[in-house]
Amino acid sequence: KAGVTQTPRYLIKTRGQQVTLSCSPISGHRSVSWYQQTPGQGLQFLFEYFSETQRNKGNFPGRFSGRQFSNSRSEMNVSTLELGDSALYLCASSLWTSGRQETQYFGPGTRLLVL
Amino acid sequence: SQQGEEDPQALSIQEGENATMNCSYKTSINNLQWYRQNSGRGLVHLILIRSNEREKHSGRLRVTLDTSKKSSSLLITASRAADTASYFCATDAGRTGGTSYGKLTFGQGTILTVHP
Repeated sequence: KAGVTQTPRYLIKTRGQQVTLSCSPISGHRSVSWYQQTPGQGLQFLFEYFSETQRNKGNFPGRFSGRQFSNSRSEMNVSTLELGDSALYLCASSLWTSGRQETQYFGPGTRLLVL
Repeated sequence: SQQGEEDPQALSIQEGENATMNCSYKTSINNLQWYRQNSGRGLVHLILIRSNEREKHSGRLRVTLDTSKKSSSLLITASRAADTASYFCATDAGRTGGTSYGKLTFGQGTILTVHP
């Protein structure tokens, strides 16, 4: 099976712009989670989608949003970019069996630089 | 905020030596996972241990879990230069209060350097 893919891999934006990142999960995985990784804060959970529904959300401002499509592909959007949004954005997909989350498999990430 | 802490923050060893990393967490968990990350790339899954398990092995990796102490350790035996990476533990608190769907909480990681 193909792994989790993320596009684009690198992105440079300026303050005030918006950005959309894409994630394609492993075939058959309906849960997609998004994380932000920065040197100062480490890995922090953004949100999780399952069957097109957001089930969980981390402590991030409303500028961070996401969605999931019927084929389980997911996008996240950051509006009105700030310098502090510069980070590695990682998505992960997983199976849920018997109401229990299995292993999360991560994509290679999208590195966003905000100037 | 991070679930817990990893210890040590950095570890430097010679090839062939064993490397041990520890992870502590704060809340009850469903499972704990260990990941490796090379130079800011994606996370590679190493091993998952469930809350009712005490020890798991995978190749040169051995993971223990002590839920009474809320701690876990990762042992890499016979380290190789290719094991140089950051290692993270991540906890899945399950659906406590229905708020933990799809959320892993990560430690700050241990930077392992294996010298040839």
